[in-house]
Amino acid sequence: KAGVTQTPRYLIKTRGQQVTLSCSPISGHRSVSWYQQTPGQGLQFLFEYFSETQRNKGNFPGRFSGRQFSNSRSEMNVSTLELGDSALYLCASSLGGARDTEAFFGQGTRLTVV
Amino acid sequence: GIQVEQSPPDLILQEGANSTLRCNFSDSVNNLQWFHQNPWGQLINLFYIPSGTKQNGRLSATTVATERYSLLYISSSQTTDSGVYFCAVGLYSGGGADGLTFGKGTHLIIQP
Repeated sequence: KAGVTQTPRYLIKTRGQQVTLSCSPISGHRSVSWYQQTPGQGLQFLFEYFSETQRNKGNFPGRFSGRQFSNSRSEMNVSTLELGDSALYLCASSLGGARDTEAFFGQGTRLTVV
Repeated sequence: GIQVEQSPPDLILQEGANSTLRCNFSDSVNNLQWFHQNPWGQLINLFYIPSGTKQNGRLSATTVATERYSLLYISSSQTTDSGVYFCAVGLYSGGGADGLTFGKGTHLIIQP
């Protein structure tokens, strides 16, 4: 059974640009959550999508957005990139909600903003 | 929001030693998972254990939900056990779904 696939694995962008990250969940999983990991803040919840609807969002500015398609694949977009957006972005797939069913993570996308 | 504290923050052991990692959380939870983050950043699932005890080879975990803590035991440590171990919890408040809240992790180094 295929795991969670994130693309691309690495990205280098310039301040002010925008970026789109992709996450394909485990087949049959309807929930996709996104997390940001930085050395200073650790792992922080960005948002969760379930059946194409955003369920909740963490404490991040509106520059961070996402969507989920009918096949459960999800994309995350960050506009007007700032140096502080440099981080490892992880996506998690779960059968039900991320808070109460087991979550499985992809390999992550490492974003560097210069 | 819910608070998750992991201890110790750093642990250095010799190969073959046993270790216990602790996770304290501030509220009742519906989901508790232990992860090992590999050198490439991926979070590897170790246990899904909102309550009770589970074992998988040299690793075992216990969650005492009523006392709001979980323990991860690693026996006969190997150098490949090195890395960061995270505890993450989920709390369903009934108002909608939310994500996992992570502790800051325990950085484990196993020396040969």
